[in-house]
Amino acid sequence: EDKVVQSPLSLVVHEGDTVTLNCSYEVTNFRSLLWYKQEKKAPTFLFMLTSSGIEKKSGRLSSILDKKELFSILNITATQTGDSAVYLCAVDSSSNTGKLIFGQGTTLQVKP
Amino acid sequence: NAGVTQTPKFRILKIGQSMTLQCAQDMNHNYMYWYRQDPGMGLKLIYYSVGAGITDKGEVPNGYNVSRSTTEDFPLRLELAAPSQTSVYFCASSNRQGARYEQYFGPGTRLTVT
Repeated sequence: EDKVVQSPLSLVVHEGDTVTLNCSYEVTNFRSLLWYKQEKKAPTFLFMLTSSGIEKKSGRLSSILDKKELFSILNITATQTGDSAVYLCAVDSSSNTGKLIFGQGTTLQVKP
Repeated sequence: NAGVTQTPKFRILKIGQSMTLQCAQDMNHNYMYWYRQDPGMGLKLIYYSVGAGITDKGEVPNGYNVSRSTTEDFPLRLELAAPSQTSVYFCASSNRQGARYEQYFGPGTRLTVT
């Protein structure tokens, strides 16, 4: 059975800290891995990774995919209170349907 | 360009009632999806569609039905509502063309069944 597991489930940090969120997966047919940010409403897209390596966004967020070890990490440096959210990892394991398998999410709280 | 819209935003149903959650997108996306999100959990796929007239089951389809008569609309029907269907429902769409094919999500419908 395909599955995506995120850790930790929740995290509390102070502004300025650096955080690392983890996502491991076991799927029969990997196409891409996606990270979403959810702030009490609809998930908003952050990254899509299809090959091993690093992708950066907005300077403070970056993500790494390791297709050999089947995991991804999301890094947030110099955290701000606006980074407080649930971060969702999802894997697209289908070549023609786009069905996503989501992890449970990591709830990040950034305190002032 | 409104993106993905959902109605209603909130709804309370009694056990055994039925309702339809509406979803529409104006991005001409062929692919549309319905998810549910229970408290503290990720999203679970209920149904999906790869184009008008084509639908298929996801992970948790029991108790739901869908139809896709147009590219824009993808309503989700709940028959005989049960407390286990209390959840937040998200509709999403994507075009799956080119290098970027992420799913765009609607604002969600919060449903309570009592």
